[in-house]
Amino acid sequence: AQSVTQLDSQVPVFEEAPVELRCNYSSSVSVYLFWYVQYPNQGLQLLLKYLSGSTLVKGINGFEAEFNKSQTSFHLRKPSVHISDTAEYFCAVSERNGANNLFFGTGTRLTVIP
Amino acid sequence: DTAVSQTPKYLVTQMGNDKSIKCEQNLGHDTMYWYKQDSKKFLKIMFSYNNKELIINETVPNRFSPKSPDKAHLNLHINSLELGDSAVYFCASSQVVGQGTGANVLTFGAGSRLTVL
Repeated sequence: AQSVTQLDSQVPVFEEAPVELRCNYSSSVSVYLFWYVQYPNQGLQLLLKYLSGSTLVKGINGFEAEFNKSQTSFHLRKPSVHISDTAEYFCAVSERNGANNLFFGTGTRLTVIP
Repeated sequence: DTAVSQTPKYLVTQMGNDKSIKCEQNLGHDTMYWYKQDSKKFLKIMFSYNNKELIINETVPNRFSPKSPDKAHLNLHINSLELGDSAVYFCASSQVVGQGTGANVLTFGAGSRLTVL
């Protein structure tokens, strides 16, 4: 079984500052990793995904994440945040050859302060 | 055009009532899901259908019954509503984007907020 831990439930950051949202996972099999973003009163949308290849993946809105197998982490970063980045961010994992089921972390609320 | 649409967006009802939430996707995806998001924003899968066939049925009370009349629709019916059913219910659909069955990218609907009084 997989599990996903998002260590920070809330992250406040000033506009134009860098941010890192942490995600760790545990699994006994190979996994795929995802970050989804949920803006207020909306559904989730995909920010980026790691399936294979380069461990540094780039997503929409200037976000990127790095897969670190030895540390079982998939932290999300952005060098300079905007007010519009205020949202809930979810890390998720799925088994490479398992049922098509995503396991989500508990989310990190990013608040960008003007 | 909305890719995954759910209705209603808001639903307020009394305990003991029966209600349904409808979901439709126009993406041509084969797989559809229902997720429940509780008040602490935790997302948990409830059901997954692939080509109208039930694939995932997590530990959900049997008061919840999904129905998939075709692969573009997945409805959720809830009998005898309880206070603890209050949550936001998200429908999603997916396609496999890489090797392995787990390489699914989900497209979510906007959610249906259910409030049970």
